[in-house]
Amino acid sequence: GAVVSQHPSWVICKSGTSVKIECRSLDFQATTMFWYRQFPKQSLMLMATSNEGSKATYEQGVEKDKFLINHASLTLSTLTVTSAHPEDSSFYICSAELAGNNEQFFGPGTRLTVL
Amino acid sequence: GENVEQHPSTLSVQEGDSAVIKCTYSDSASNYFPWYKQELGKGPQLIIDIRSNVGEKKDQRIAVTLNKTAKHFSLHITETQPEDSAVYFCAASRGDTGKLIFGQGTTLQVKP
Repeated sequence: GAVVSQHPSWVICKSGTSVKIECRSLDFQATTMFWYRQFPKQSLMLMATSNEGSKATYEQGVEKDKFLINHASLTLSTLTVTSAHPEDSSFYICSAELAGNNEQFFGPGTRLTVL
Repeated sequence: GENVEQHPSTLSVQEGDSAVIKCTYSDSASNYFPWYKQELGKGPQLIIDIRSNVGEKKDQRIAVTLNKTAKHFSLHITETQPEDSAVYFCAASRGDTGKLIFGQGTTLQVKP
């Protein structure tokens, strides 16, 4: 149980385009999902907290207009990287919180490469 | 702000030996401490966790200890195997926000 999926697993796009990444909790409902970014050989950095039915809460330094987050249902959150640039190339990982006990289960990640 | 320090950054052990990774947290309100294993190109996988009302927890070859007074917690892996080779992350969380603050990670190499 507690499986989280992400789609796509990898994406290559041209500079200036937008990319949408989906995060789904497959066998449980998640009122809260989190989005992280991980650069090579570094730790996970929290970008934002996504709550179902409300606006996401962004961490300091993360541009909310560039990284659009939508949490439309209890099993789906999406991250859209708008007007992507090469410096946005990274490994993006989502997690879903098992309601009430702080346990987070992570998706397999999405490798974004912006040319 | 909240901070989690993790040591060592790299650890190399012989198969069958034990491995210990240590973390220190700054926020005394933290009450949930998970450990994750991350293999190359994959998302982190929860391997064990501990809450602030418990001092020690064990699951087969893996154990975690928590010292609330000193604000540090440790991961112990016994009888290491080559498949234990990966990057391990500790994290700390407060109950109110659910946000995880991650340590810097430890690359564990188990030599056959």
